[in-house]
Amino acid sequence: EIVLTQSPATLSLSPGDRATLSCRASQSVTTYLAWYQQRPGQAPRLLIYDASNRATGIPARFSGSGSGTDFSLTISSLEPEDFAVYYCQQRRTWPPITFGQGTRLEI
Amino acid sequence: QVQMQESGPGLVKPSETLSLTCTVSGGSITNSDYYWGWIRQPPGRGLEWIGYIYYTGSNHYNPSLKSRVTISMDTPRNQFSLKLTSVTAADTAVYYCARDSLGTTGADLWGQGTLVTVSS
Repeated sequence: EIVLTQSPATLSLSPGDRATLSCRASQSVTTYLAWYQQRPGQAPRLLIYDASNRATGIPARFSGSGSGTDFSLTISSLEPEDFAVYYCQQRRTWPPITFGQGTRLEI
Repeated sequence: QVQMQESGPGLVKPSETLSLTCTVSGGSITNSDYYWGWIRQPPGRGLEWIGYIYYTGSNHYNPSLKSRVTISMDTPRNQFSLKLTSVTAADTAVYYCARDSLGTTGADLWGQGTLVTVSS
């Protein structure tokens, strides 16, 4: 099973700041990696698929990068609605599909 | 516009079977471009993948749950279902149904989720 480790667990920033979230895989997932945003009381929303492609309707301030074992999600300038929990997920070697434990982005 | 909605009991007794249904509207579950499946989230915790089904009926399950899980399809009703047997308090979670593309990594459509509590 591929383990995904996200860092930091919590990131405290202000609106307008740049945020960089990390996801490290226990073995290579090439680019079979996705990022999700989850706001309180809501279902996760797909932000990035295949490591670097924005999903439909996702603002350009969200970008993903990386391949192999190290990945990043960057939010270029934080909006108030961006404060949420973010998860990475791999589907390179499955089952099981696995998720990281999440990064909480707080004001 | 494709939408997904979970339904089923919100309370299940320990040792019994959890049964949930996901109804898909605006699109067909026989679309060969997608997997259809279930993901859960215990209160205050992270996401756990349960399993997927493909329109051919083939399944992929999380090995940690495989002995207790069945995902099936009802194509005339455009629904798919989850059954989880011998539940315990550890199975208390919000259960989401989701659609995942065959060709790319990422579940692009989710239901709103339904909380299932395991308690006597």
